[in-house]
Amino acid sequence: QVQLVQSGAEVKKPGSSVKVSCKASGGTFSSYAISWVRQAPGQGLEWMGGIIPIFGTANYAQKFQGRVTITADESTSTAYMELSSLRSEDTAVYYCARGGIAARLVGWFDPWGQGTLVTVSS
Amino acid sequence: QSVLTQPPSASGTPGQRVTISCSGSSSNIGSNTVNWYQQLPGTAPKLLIYSNNQRPSGVPDRFSGSKSGTSASLAISGLQSEDEADYYCAAWDDSLNVLFGGGTKLTVL
Repeated sequence: QVQLVQSGAEVKKPGSSVKVSCKASGGTFSSYAISWVRQAPGQGLEWMGGIIPIFGTANYAQKFQGRVTITADESTSTAYMELSSLRSEDTAVYYCARGGIAARLVGWFDPWGQGTLVTVSS
Repeated sequence: QSVLTQPPSASGTPGQRVTISCSGSSSNIGSNTVNWYQQLPGTAPKLLIYSNNQRPSGVPDRFSGSKSGTSASLAISGLQSEDEADYYCAAWDDSLNVLFGGGTKLTVL
């Protein structure tokens, strides 16, 4: 049974960057996509992008192009999401989630990490 | 404003059947499968229905999904108090982006 465990909460200044990690255990890591989804306070879910570790190339939502970088380290079964040029509107819970179909970015998300709260405040 | 349209709220009494709709377009729901997620208060989302109408193991058969054209629906029968949660539909679009509905808050009266 795959489990995803994310890094802890962060408080960042506007204009800075944040890097959130997502470590997988209990299953195959490299051949299943890891996507990142965020949820602003009281708001809905928003997909940011995803990566299939064995291929190494990330796909990003247009809204975040140029500001987000998603990477994966197969040796530690860990995926990362780095968001730069932070602004107050980036305050949100950031989730990682595993794709449901091997070697494909598309599909459902299961399981999800526990979420990481990123607060952007001066 | 989400590309996939869901009603913001739904409600029912214990034992009732409720449905939640999700409307999209030909470039998303019309050409790709729909997944549904349940988010209990203060927790991460959980997969509820995948590929339009498939239930992951452990999800009660009270939950069912369907899709027709550019719309999809989630049905919950025999409503229980523990079903009170936010429900999100999701679909990939033809540009390889994931779209989520705005979410429906289900209240069990």
